[in-house]
Amino acid sequence: DGGITQSPKYLFRKEGQNVTLSCEQNLNHDAMYWYRQDPGQGLRLIYYSQIVNDFQKGDIAEGYSVSREKKESFPLTVTSAQKNPTAFYLCASTPSLAGGNEQFFGPGTRLTVL
Amino acid sequence: AQRVTQPEKLLSVFKGAPVELKCNYSYSGSPELFWYVQYSRQRLQLLLRHISRESIKGFTADLNKGETSFHLKKPFAQEEDSAMYYCALGNFNKFYFGSGTKLNVKP
Repeated sequence: DGGITQSPKYLFRKEGQNVTLSCEQNLNHDAMYWYRQDPGQGLRLIYYSQIVNDFQKGDIAEGYSVSREKKESFPLTVTSAQKNPTAFYLCASTPSLAGGNEQFFGPGTRLTVL
Repeated sequence: AQRVTQPEKLLSVFKGAPVELKCNYSYSGSPELFWYVQYSRQRLQLLLRHISRESIKGFTADLNKGETSFHLKKPFAQEEDSAMYYCALGNFNKFYFGSGTKLNVKP
């Protein structure tokens, strides 16, 4: 069940600490995404990247940062500025920049800030 | 602004009954619409997309531009259909998801 991997599966951090969530894909996909999934709210887009060394803010980017130094990797940092970081985080990718593409999702990381 | 609305948080039906999960969208251009499904302890995965006009696992969805809807339907629900379903709208390579509907198929 390769494709997109996220690590760790569960993450606990103290309030005020930055934490980085890993997302790796071996699908040779151009575009990668980070979503936050909260109960009753569906998926909300945090950041996305269509090519290496480029990324755009999504709808809820405040308190988060990303990098895209390699095609296969798109790590997400949850900073201390994020007011409510406890959530389930999903990484996804799509094959190309053309429209109509299916998104492939990772298994997710559940972050709990104590 | 783009928006996807799924009005039902939970839908419970008996096995063999028809099921319809509602999805309405707002979008100014020609939408690309998808249904994603998340079974218990599995990843979110694509169920079907409107451009393919396909039937997957007995599910179909028709795009109604007049009503801006993309409802998901199945004539006879099965217990294994119990899952969380998300409607999504694609705008080039950016996607907007609804809040999801949990389908519970009772025996």
